[in-house]
Amino acid sequence: GAVVSQHPSRVICKSGTSVKIECRSLDFQATTMFWYRQFPKQSLMLMATSNEGSKATYEQGVEKDKFLINHASLTLSTLTVTSAHPEDSSFYICSADSRGALTDTQYFGPGTRLTVL
Amino acid sequence: GQQVMQIPQYQHVQEGEDFTTYCNSSTTLSNIQWYKQRPGGHPVFLIQLVKSGEVKKQKRLTFQFGEAKKNSSLHITATQTTDVGTYFCAGSAQGGSEKLVFGKGTKLTVNP
Repeated sequence: GAVVSQHPSRVICKSGTSVKIECRSLDFQATTMFWYRQFPKQSLMLMATSNEGSKATYEQGVEKDKFLINHASLTLSTLTVTSAHPEDSSFYICSADSRGALTDTQYFGPGTRLTVL
Repeated sequence: GQQVMQIPQYQHVQEGEDFTTYCNSSTTLSNIQWYKQRPGGHPVFLIQLVKSGEVKKQKRLTFQFGEAKKNSSLHITATQTTDVGTYFCAGSAQGGSEKLVFGKGTKLTVNP
């Protein structure tokens, strides 16, 4: 079945540094990928919708200059947390939409745990 | 690792019929969440269950968390065309990292 991978699964960085998280669809093409953030014991919060070849659409309250999203190919989207601060520490999950493919469903990545010291 | 199985994968019903989707975890969960994704949209949070045996209702939707906190169900009474979409469950392992593991979803279609 379709698999979505995320890399890294866990990252610890110093305040002020930038962190890049990759989301890959491994055996299908994803024209649309979603990026979520999850705070402890809370639900997913949609951050942005990433469309291949175009600019991402950010949800209200999400800083696009802070969370840079690049969807360079049909199988890869990246989220870069720029100048990370401790309040950016969170669990980030991507999902890939196989809309248009045979299965036409949503697949979630395993998530990336970001800890900013 | 922790796995979350969801059945059925697809369900087609006539409008007015009931619908149930089931979620089973390989490990005991600290909580379970349910999401609904409308066609063309993104998954939207519906509810979170935390307590063993918990039952919560949202209008025609009834959510249950099993006594052993390893399974959950979502039941829709008298489906309507607006219920169309894919329903996902997601659970966090008890005593674990609170990482959410998603089921593969149940796609519901409703015939008017």
